[in-house]
Amino acid sequence: GQNIDQPTEMTATEGAIVQINCTYQTSGFNGLFWYQQHAGEAPTFLSYNVLDGLEEKGRFSSFLSRSKGYSYLLLKELQMKDSASYLCAAATGAAGNKLTFGGGTRVLVKP
Amino acid sequence: DGGITQSPKYLFRKEGQNVTLSCEQNLNHDAMYWYRQDPGQGLRLIYYSQIVNDFQKGDIAEGYSVSREKKESFPLTVTSAQKNPTAFYLCASSPTSGAADTQYFGPGTRLTVL
Repeated sequence: GQNIDQPTEMTATEGAIVQINCTYQTSGFNGLFWYQQHAGEAPTFLSYNVLDGLEEKGRFSSFLSRSKGYSYLLLKELQMKDSASYLCAAATGAAGNKLTFGGGTRVLVKP
Repeated sequence: DGGITQSPKYLFRKEGQNVTLSCEQNLNHDAMYWYRQDPGQGLRLIYYSQIVNDFQKGDIAEGYSVSREKKESFPLTVTSAQKNPTAFYLCASSPTSGAADTQYFGPGTRLTVL
């Protein structure tokens, strides 16, 4: 079976750093996606990791360890607009294009 | 303007009625997907299609049906057999079906069955 775990909710202060962890147990693994979703809207792509290590994209970075089945999304210099849910998704399947999502982590940024 | 469109944004139906949700993309993407999202939860895959005239069941296909007669269109029918159809439905597409390509999402349709 497929299992993706991430915390339900996190709170942080504007300007701070928050790290959202994601652990996965999947049969077949082709990479790890992170999406951002504001309430009532569609998810938007943030990052994709296929190799171990850190990928940095501006204020957002994502890390993957395939041997540990672990990823994290790091949000730096938090802004109020970063208040959203962050979805971790593992790409599985023979073609690698089947995504299994975690339940999402709701991040609340306070002033 | 390239993108994925879903209509309508909000849809109300009476229990026992079938309803079809539309999804259109003009990105020339090969693969298309349907997900369901319940309040406070992640997305669950209903059906996906890697190429025209072909589709596969996802994790929660019971009570749903799809067709893929055209590359740009992937409509989802929620049948009366679906026991709990009220949810937020998201359609997505990706450029190819042969790799872990990024999936891009439409704006979603919120279905409420009364």
